Amino acid sequence: DAGITQSPRHKVTETGTPVTLRCHQTENHRYMYWYRQDPGHGLRLIHYSYGVKDTDKGEVSDGYSVSRSKTEDFLLTLESATSSQTSVYFCAIRDNTDTQYFGPGTRLTVL
Amino acid sequence: GNSVTQMEGPVTLSEEAFLTINCTYTATGYPSLFWYVQYPGEGLQLLLKATKADDKGSNKGFEATYRKETTSFHLEKGSVQVSDSAVYFCALAWGGQNFVFGPGTRLSVLP
Repeated sequence: DAGITQSPRHKVTETGTPVTLRCHQTENHRYMYWYRQDPGHGLRLIHYSYGVKDTDKGEVSDGYSVSRSKTEDFLLTLESATSSQTSVYFCAIRDNTDTQYFGPGTRLTVL
Repeated sequence: GNSVTQMEGPVTLSEEAFLTINCTYTATGYPSLFWYVQYPGEGLQLLLKATKADDKGSNKGFEATYRKETTSFHLEKGSVQVSDSAVYFCALAWGGQNFVFGPGTRLSVLP
């Protein structure tokens, strides 16, 4: 296993509430990613980070923000959750051979 | 831009049948190519990879060869098992942080 954990693994929340998902790695890799996975859309990149305090947007970044204050932690925040953000969220890290390794996922339901 | 195309599926096979899942790519330069597998309720796991033309990746009886002349990276297995039932993703990496996934192919293997 690549040493990636995500928390929580499941969350149910209400529309309009803030939500933060956490990704933690023990591998000390520079690059970390947040994806969402939805039926019919495959995997879509939300944000990624290329170092502490260095982040950039992916293809579906609207409504999401991220922070990386330590190498090992990458946080994804939904400032005001909407039902369209109901999804499964995956974190990934990339090693120095361009290979990505994925966490177990967080299933988020916004009611 | 760079992209990956793979057969949509679903693919249904009987146990011990031969499996091929087609993957073709569009890319400039020399990308790395990957196959990931996702079992129900889990994250994506790296199945195999190849980093240059004519490389063959292999793992758990699965193989794929990086064919630059046909821009392909087809996944094959000689004899599938029920436990191989999953969704398979072809992916492409280039230029450091860039990574793109195919839409995934669902495989069901019947006993």
